[in-house]
Amino acid sequence: EVQLVESGGGLVQPGGSLSLSCEASGFTFSSYDLSWVRRAPGKGLEWVSTISGSGSSTYHADSVKSRFTVSRDNSKNTLYLRMNSLRAEDTAVYYCARKNTVINNFDYWGQGTLVTVSS
Amino acid sequence: ELVLTQSPGTLSLSPGEGVTLSCRASQSVSSNYLAWYQQKPGQAPRLLIYAASSRATGIPDRFSGSGSGTDFTLTISRLEPEDFAVYYCQQYGGSSRTFGQGTKVEVK
Repeated sequence: EVQLVESGGGLVQPGGSLSLSCEASGFTFSSYDLSWVRRAPGKGLEWVSTISGSGSSTYHADSVKSRFTVSRDNSKNTLYLRMNSLRAEDTAVYYCARKNTVINNFDYWGQGTLVTVSS
Repeated sequence: ELVLTQSPGTLSLSPGEGVTLSCRASQSVSSNYLAWYQQKPGQAPRLLIYAASSRATGIPDRFSGSGSGTDFTLTISRLEPEDFAVYYCQQYGGSSRTFGQGTKVEVK
């Protein structure tokens, strides 16, 4: 059974940093691109970042570029998101999602971890 | 940047009714890379439709998608109690992904 479990969320002050993790199981981790998607309170879904299966290619939304860094450790079946210079507008539930190689879209999602940026 | 606009923002309906949700793109969606997701409170999004009209694994046939170019629709033929949720369209051509702002289907 495919499982994605996020962790690392919490309360952080504006300008601070936080690292999220997403531990995967039930599939060959290195064969899949993975992404982070967030949902701010009262708002819709927003794609944040994607990393290729090997980790050699990464992509970030303009809203987080130069502040967030996606990475992965294929030996630990874990995806990461390092978030720096956090702003109030980064407050959201952050989900990790697996990209299905056949349909080129997200087929499995974690349950999310809440990040709150507030003083 | 491609923008997806969903309408209406909220629909109030009763179980058993049919509904059609709209998603309009600011420019043509390449290769019909248009998907629909359902999200319920406290849950992760669930993929319903990909490639504009293909149902994802395990999705009931009361859900159907159609459209091409810039205009897409999601139709639920007969609402079941578990279908009351927020629905998002999403384009996924290229390395980035863009979501619409969502349509909430609520119980009347």
